[in-house]
Amino acid sequence: GDSVTQMEGPVTLSEEAFLTINCTYTATGYPSLFWYVQYPGEGLQLLLKATKADDKGSNKGFEATYRKETTSFHLEKGSVQVSDSAVYFCGISQGGSEKLVFGKGTKLTVNP
Amino acid sequence: EPEVTQTPSHQVTQMGQEVILRCVPISNHLYFYWYRQILGQKVEFLVSFYNNEISEKSEIFDDQFSVERPDGSNFTLKIRSTKLEDSAMYFCASSARSGGTDTQYFGPGTRLTVL
Repeated sequence: GDSVTQMEGPVTLSEEAFLTINCTYTATGYPSLFWYVQYPGEGLQLLLKATKADDKGSNKGFEATYRKETTSFHLEKGSVQVSDSAVYFCGISQGGSEKLVFGKGTKLTVNP
Repeated sequence: EPEVTQTPSHQVTQMGQEVILRCVPISNHLYFYWYRQILGQKVEFLVSFYNNEISEKSEIFDDQFSVERPDGSNFTLKIRSTKLEDSAMYFCASSARSGGTDTQYFGPGTRLTVL
């Protein structure tokens, strides 16, 4: 079945550092790809998504590009802030199925 | 901005008891979901619900689980006889169209602790 593997955490960075969280997937066909973020005490919020190959999703300075050839959707941000501290989940979904399949989540801590 | 709400935020129960977790999806959404996250593990899909019936369920969603939309606003997950391994965070989600292609919006979760 479909699966998602994302970089193990936790990740600790200093403010203004560059962030990459790796995500690769295994799926048949052409899934939609998502990054969700979970701030402390809150639910999962959609951060960005891409629905076809070479699409770039972006939001709040975060970006991820749908790479079909490497089955990857790595999350990047050029300069992280303390407020970006959260758990980040990579996920995929397929047309014809209702479910989102998530990775384990990567906890990011940004220090001032 | 519309949001999914869940109650209670934390539920503690004894093994073997029944629990009902409640969710109010976004009002114009038609597809509803439950997911769970056991501490330290992945967020896992349990069930999806559309047009007053289950449209998809996972292997986890066995006979002890049921879902219902008792009125026009609530969506509930019932666990008939809780087990220790049911302790987890349970997330409700909703989407306007099929979750395979549309964005799912999540609630803040209910933490279920089974003693």
